[in-house]
Amino acid sequence: GAGVSQSPSNKVTEKGKDVELRCDPISGHTALYWYRQSLGQGLEFLIYFQGNSAPDKSGLPSDRFSAERTGGSVSTLTIQRTQQEDSAVYLCASSLALYRANEKLFFGSGTQLSVL
Amino acid sequence: GESVGLHLPTLSVQEGDNSIINCAYSNSASDYFIWYKQESGKGPQFIIDIRSNMDKRQGQRVTVLLNKTVKHLSLQIAATQPGDSAVYFCAETGGATNKLIFGTGTLLAVQP
Repeated sequence: GAGVSQSPSNKVTEKGKDVELRCDPISGHTALYWYRQSLGQGLEFLIYFQGNSAPDKSGLPSDRFSAERTGGSVSTLTIQRTQQEDSAVYLCASSLALYRANEKLFFGSGTQLSVL
Repeated sequence: GESVGLHLPTLSVQEGDNSIINCAYSNSASDYFIWYKQESGKGPQFIIDIRSNMDKRQGQRVTVLLNKTVKHLSLQIAATQPGDSAVYFCAETGGATNKLIFGTGTLLAVQP
């Protein structure tokens, strides 16, 4: 596709359930980021993938959060045993990383996660 | 930790006027800055970027100014239009980190 695609666009789940959020980056983009955005707030860095390098997981808030990127393309963010404070918009972004990975990030529209 | 902050959380302007959105950053090692626009229900959209070896960069109707002495960044929008209404974020990065640090955002409201 022409842009970063995220699915689902909305997810409502019950507390304690696991959820998986998917991100399809722009074709050819080697860097992929996950951010979290709470209502009316800025973007909180979660995790970063670049090529075959080990991901930077330093932003993951707890061990209930994990992410993987298969084949250097599609990424899945998994939240286990969801809590109400996990409710937020989860944004994925990718970049061509010609110079640095964090330049000119292109964002998807996000997944709105609501934990009841 | 390091942070990027905005002076004005909400900015209201008349259609056709120029808008100036300000941003302060605290990491003197930051050498790359980006402005993003986020409309309701959408992800942030890249507007313009600037490296620390520049003081000014112009795009279409937008100009970014960087003052490294006082660690200040601004976004100027010429002839503001209703379609410019959105939340604007500045973001910074520098050194060895691959992270972009985002500010909390400024809501720009364009009055007809």
